[in-house]
Amino acid sequence: GQNIDQPTEMTATEGAIVQINCTYQTSGFNGLFWYQQHAGEAPTFLSYNVLDGLEEKGRFSSFLSRSKGYSYLLLKELQMKDSASYLCAVRDSDYKLSFGAGTTVTVRA
Amino acid sequence: IAGITQAPTSQILAAGRRMTLRCTQDMRHNAMYWYRQDLGLGLRLIHYSNTAGTTGKGEVPDGYSVSRANTDDFPLTLASAVPSQTSVYFCASSSGASNEQFFGPGTRLTVL
Repeated sequence: GQNIDQPTEMTATEGAIVQINCTYQTSGFNGLFWYQQHAGEAPTFLSYNVLDGLEEKGRFSSFLSRSKGYSYLLLKELQMKDSASYLCAVRDSDYKLSFGAGTTVTVRA
Repeated sequence: IAGITQAPTSQILAAGRRMTLRCTQDMRHNAMYWYRQDLGLGLRLIHYSNTAGTTGKGEVPDGYSVSRANTDDFPLTLASAVPSQTSVYFCASSSGASNEQFFGPGTRLTVL
């Protein structure tokens, strides 16, 4: 099974940078995902890492270290619309996802 | 239909009643999933199907059943609902060529 840990809440100012950490313990690793979920809506895909290193996609970047069981999602130039929950998920060898409880990010003006 | 749809949007149900949540996708994805999302616990996998005709149990399958008669539809049935099944239920799908799971809009279920 998977054990996935991420902070419950984070607050940051508009225009700033926030880093959301995720640690995991897994019996079989086949990729790490980050999803964004606005209140009352479905999760939407942000990023995917399967090899060590940094994946950059616009204002969002995701990093993975498989040896450390560690990932982070970096949100740059924060905007008010980035206020949401961010879900870390690990995929196992059967292609099933296990999700962390999510990190609620609040962006303040 | 565009993407993945779920019905109903919300439902209030008396304990002991039978309920089927519907999920349909038009993307011809092989794999489909059912999750429940509860405050503080995140998304938990109930059942999944890697291809039409096959299903598997996820992390929290008790009290739920699924079927996958064709590629597009993946209904979730609660045979006899209990209050602990009050939750938001999300259906998702993915293809073998994509790493991304696409989620439906969710069904908010309250069991009284």
